[in-house]
Amino acid sequence: QSALTQPPSASGSPGQSVTISCTGTSNVVGRYNYVSWYQQRPGGVPKLLIYEVTRRPSGVHPRFSGSKSGNTASLTVSGLQAEDEADYYCSSYAGSNTYVFGSGTKVTVL
Amino acid sequence: QLQLQESGPGLVKPSETLSLTCSVSGGSISSSSYYWAWVRQPPGKGLEWIGSGYYSGNIFYNPSLKSRVTISVDTSNNQFSLRVSSVTAADTAIFYCARVGPQMTFDLWGLGTMVTVSS
Repeated sequence: QSALTQPPSASGSPGQSVTISCTGTSNVVGRYNYVSWYQQRPGGVPKLLIYEVTRRPSGVHPRFSGSKSGNTASLTVSGLQAEDEADYYCSSYAGSNTYVFGSGTKVTVL
Repeated sequence: QLQLQESGPGLVKPSETLSLTCSVSGGSISSSSYYWAWVRQPPGKGLEWIGSGYYSGNIFYNPSLKSRVTISVDTSNNQFSLRVSSVTAADTAIFYCARVGPQMTFDLWGLGTMVTVSS
């Protein structure tokens, strides 16, 4: 069960948008619409941002949006703010009640 | 509101067994809607799903860790536990307990507990 592939880093200036990819196999990301995204600030606990590819939990700002095409899911952060500087992880249901996380992406606000 | 709290030794010797408990408060672990999971994060590294358990006793493991991991769910005490045997320095990590919702997502997390494997 290999980790989903994410770029190690991404960056943008305040107000810009940044998109993070999460690539898996056709048996995981491509097969299930159960991709989630989490934000983890330095020293903090992962916080759920997106579930079921595109859905936002109550309280998560609409600046965070998700999508999927084939075996790759994406998280877009629009209108970047300094507080968005964090590590971002994707996860996917992998069948048979198993899960896999992405390798993580560090987002820097320039 | 439901809260999760990990507890257990912060230091474990190599070759010994790591044991952690996650106490669930503000709600019942016997809810049919949720699974209960363990996730770990080595220092400076990413998240790794260890396994999940259901109140009925169904347990599911990460295949890469299955031979060394045991997860159990204790409905009478509203808690669930993790045991990792034959630990090495590579098992040093922050261990989180989390709730897995029907949307197949980790929607609630404990604060995490750091476990160091060292003699």
